[in-house]
Amino acid sequence: DAGITQSPRYKITETGRQVTLMCHQTWSHSYMFWYRQDLGHGLRLIYYSAAADITDKGEVPDGYVVSRSKTENFPLTLESATRSQTSVYFCASSDTGSNTEAFFGQGTRLTVV
Amino acid sequence: GENVEQHPSTLSVQEGDSAVIKCTYSDSASNYFPWYKQELGKGPQLIIDIRSNVGEKKDQRIAVTLNKTAKHFSLHITETQPEDSAVYFCAASIPPRSGGYNKLIFGAGTRLAVHP
Repeated sequence: DAGITQSPRYKITETGRQVTLMCHQTWSHSYMFWYRQDLGHGLRLIYYSAAADITDKGEVPDGYVVSRSKTENFPLTLESATRSQTSVYFCASSDTGSNTEAFFGQGTRLTVV
Repeated sequence: GENVEQHPSTLSVQEGDSAVIKCTYSDSASNYFPWYKQELGKGPQLIIDIRSNVGEKKDQRIAVTLNKTAKHFSLHITETQPEDSAVYFCAASIPPRSGGYNKLIFGAGTRLAVHP
């Protein structure tokens, strides 16, 4: 199916564990983004990528790692999960960057216990 | 620093009334201002956007205005309908200081409820 998909949709993990959230898009968009959504904060940018093998930090990158070996995939890894990383995570992609429409996935609700 | 403030955080209107959501941004170099609508359990979806060389843009019942001098922009929804109920986010695109790429900074969101 065409579009942008995130997996898993829901995840519960324990403090200190490593967890990876997956994001896959079928449009061959150059840009991909990871946001976290928390009540009262809206959407905050964690990391973004302008192309394969090019990534950069956003507003709240601490505790997260990303990679982009292929254009269509942009996984987000929490190396040692903390309770403060409990959030809803959204992946997005766009064709030409932050000055054009971004297409969002359905989100992953992550709970760290 | 880079900041987008959005007001109000919640808005309740009667069906058929108008709704207005306002945002201010801090970086005068911002040049792109999209509005996203998020329905329950879904990701945000673009509903309208405006660029810094335009003062107003309209799409059916939705309009956006931009005041670059005051660094604020607003979303106007006329003849509201129950299906307009959702969370609305404004955003501003921030150019890089040196190298890098534009970043999109979001406001905190407005929960709009339209009552029949």
